[in-house]
Formats: sequence, structure tokens, C-alpha cells
Amino acid sequence: KQEVTQIPAALSVPEGENLVLNCSFTDSAIYNLQWFRQDPGKGLTSLLLIQSSQREQTSGRLNASLDKSSGRSTLYIAASQPGDSATYLCAVRGSSNTGKLIFGQGTTLQVKP
Amino acid sequence: DAGVTQSPTHLIKTRGQQVTLRCSPKSGHDTVSWYQQALGQGPQFIFQYYEEEERQRGNFPDRFSGHQFPNYSSELNVNALLLGDSALYLCASSIRDSIIYGYTFGSGTRLTVV
Repeated sequence: KQEVTQIPAALSVPEGENLVLNCSFTDSAIYNLQWFRQDPGKGLTSLLLIQSSQREQTSGRLNASLDKSSGRSTLYIAASQPGDSATYLCAVRGSSNTGKLIFGQGTTLQVKP
Repeated sequence: DAGVTQSPTHLIKTRGQQVTLRCSPKSGHDTVSWYQQALGQGPQFIFQYYEEEERQRGNFPDRFSGHQFPNYSSELNVNALLLGDSALYLCASSIRDSIIYGYTFGSGTRLTVV
């Protein structure tokens, strides 16, 4: 059974810092991994999608990496801003169950001005 | 290009009542999935629909049912509401059998059961 874990559960940093959010999964048989952002009480906004054959994806100040063999992904945020404050969720799409995403519980990030 | 649209945005129901939530997928998407997100938790998969049939289901009781219409829009129905059904319900759309494109989520419906 696939399980996804995100550490830490919460993180507070001063503005301008570079930071890394971690995501681990127990079953390496995945199609892809997707990182989402969620503002309080809102829906999910897709940030980056990494296919199982890829090592990383970049979008602006965000860079996501994937190490399928070790069951790990990281989301790197460069030069953090107060507007980055949100909950970040990672989700894997397993190759044995193609229909559903398995989510971690998220990391809540606060960037202080 | 409209993304995923969900209605209503908020809903308050009494225990034992029934509720229907609605979702219109992103243009070009034919598959709709529903997720339940309790406060402080990650979303949990309820079920997925394409070609107007339920194709996969998560660990949710039969009180949760759904429907997909020919225009790919979908409804989630929950019967005999319990206090524990209070959550944010998220709809996600995608293209069937495509792993190249990820899932697009709507803004959710906040259901409160009192």
C-alpha cells in the first residue's frame, strides 16, 4: 500500500531564504509525482509535475526533484517571499492504480517579512 | 479557458440529510475524480468517473455515490450525512489514460454537517 509522508509538517522562515520541502513515498512503482499549493480554505494549484522517467522539473523559483529508487522528492523554493506562505502537498500517481493520487499531509510554510 | 468549476462553494446541512455537489471539468478533460479533505489532512480519493461510469473507488462507504453526464460534468451525492462528513470536497479533472498531463483541481466545496 502506497504511503506518502511530508516532513516537516510546518516551517517558518524569514523572507529571502532558500528552502527545501521533503516528500517520501513507500512504493517506487509510480507514473508521476505532482506538487500542489493550497491556500487556506481553497483548492489545489498545481506547481510541478514530474514523470517517473524524469529527475527534475523547474518553474520560476521552484525546482522539484525526483529519486524514484529511494522514494523521495524535494521541492526547492528559492528566495522565498511572504506570498509563498501556503500549504504544499505532494501526490503520487501509482502505476498499479492509475486513477488516483495518494497525497501526503502537507507542509505548511510561513514566510515572515 | 475555464478551469475546474465546483458548486456550491459552501454548504451547511443537518445530520441525516442528503447533499449533492457539482463539478464541471476543465475544457478538454473527460475524467473526473472526487476527493475529501478533512481539516489539516491531505485529500483522500473517493472515486473516479469516465465514460459516465465509476471506474475506481477509494475506501468510502456506499453513502457516497456519483454520476457523470455526457458533457463530462459530475455530481457527488452523500446520503445520511454524519458529522464526520464535514470536509472540503475537491473535484479534479484529467485526460483519461494520459500520464503526461497531471490533474487540475477546483476550488472545492466546504461542507459543514451540524
